[in-house]
Amino acid sequence: AQSVTQLDSHVSVSEGTPVLLRCNYSSSYSPSLFWYVQHPNKGLQLLLKYTSAATLVKGINGFEAEFKKSETSFHLTKPSAHMSDAAEYFCVVSGARQLTFGSGTQLTVLP
Amino acid sequence: GAVVSQHPSRVICKSGTSVKIECRSLDFQATTMFWYRQFPKQSLMLMATSNEGSKATYEQGVEKDKFLINHASLTLSTLTVTSAHPEDSSFYICSARDGRRSQYFGPGTRLLVL
Repeated sequence: AQSVTQLDSHVSVSEGTPVLLRCNYSSSYSPSLFWYVQHPNKGLQLLLKYTSAATLVKGINGFEAEFKKSETSFHLTKPSAHMSDAAEYFCVVSGARQLTFGSGTQLTVLP
Repeated sequence: GAVVSQHPSRVICKSGTSVKIECRSLDFQATTMFWYRQFPKQSLMLMATSNEGSKATYEQGVEKDKFLINHASLTLSTLTVTSAHPEDSSFYICSARDGRRSQYFGPGTRLLVL
């Protein structure tokens, strides 16, 4: 069985400052991990995914995430937030049969 | 990249009527498709997994007689909400898995039951 915990339901940053969205996972075997973004009333867009290759994964729009097995974490970061980054972000772990979604983190970007 | 479409994108219906939502993989074959439900400001909850040519597997608490799923071909799955009620109003999202087990999401269907 697998689970994923997003530690912050809301994160607020100023435009141009770094973004950190935290995610911890639990899995009985080597997981595949994903970050998705969802803008209001839109579907999901894949930001990046980890599938046991490099532990530092670069995604679209300047986002990256680092897989840390010892900490069972897969935090999402971006050096400089943009207004267009305001959205809901989901950390997802892949099991043998299905994806398990975190509860989501709402990112607000202040001007 | 792989594209998954959903139709309609939004639908409003009267209580007691049935609504069908289509999910199509446009440029790949999907032996497995998934249906999710998302309430406002909440995460996605898996409703059911459908495999082409066989009965869908429903998650605990999901009424299979209310949410009918048909996966008749490798590119099409349908979700029918039967006798819809206001509490069925939600955002329904499908996804399709390709041969490499990558999963692609549709844009979602907003259902409002009056």
